[in-house]
Amino acid sequence: EADIYQTPRYLVIGTGKKITLECSQTMGHDKMYWYQQDPGMELHLIHYSYGVNSTEKGDLSSESTVSRIRTEHFPLTLESARPSHTSQYLCASSEWGGRANYGYTFGSGTRLTVV
Amino acid sequence: SQQGEEDPQALSIQEGENATMNCSYKTSINNLQWYRQNSGRGLVHLILIRSNEREKHSGRLRVTLDTSKKSSSLLITASRAADTASYFCATDKGGGNKLTFGTGTQLKVEL
Repeated sequence: EADIYQTPRYLVIGTGKKITLECSQTMGHDKMYWYQQDPGMELHLIHYSYGVNSTEKGDLSSESTVSRIRTEHFPLTLESARPSHTSQYLCASSEWGGRANYGYTFGSGTRLTVV
Repeated sequence: SQQGEEDPQALSIQEGENATMNCSYKTSINNLQWYRQNSGRGLVHLILIRSNEREKHSGRLRVTLDTSKKSSSLLITASRAADTASYFCATDKGGGNKLTFGTGTQLKVEL
């Protein structure tokens, strides 16, 4: 089973609330990512990190923010949730170069519904 | 726009048949990867093929890569009901292992 954990699994929250989606991995991976998956299945990269104190925005503009204070932890925060934020959020991690396999390990995802 | 597009969008076959999914992409890549997703869960890495490789096997999976056509295919042989899932290709253009995912193929294997 994957060693990357996302909580909560499901979240229903009211408009305007602040939320934090948690993501932790125990593999010591330097690289971590957040993807947003819409109902049509496409995945869009919204944030990534190459290590502690490194965060970058992805290809899809997002109102969320991330932090990377510890290698194993990469939380995503929405300061004021809106119905347009309703989606599935997937966290992933991968090893830094030098190895043959650069595949990602994904968490189980957080399905967020903003009402 | 998405780097990868997959074809078909949905595929329904009988158990024991082979399933073939195709992926096309637009720019040069460092490697291409295939992932599987069960019913809205997280994705699972299946196989990675590098730009200098043409074919790769893993169990019942066979992946081909044609960089001149910017396309890849995933073949699942002797499919099982448990193979029912969505399958995604993802491309790595290099420079940091950021993956761009395709639109996915929904595979249904019926008994």
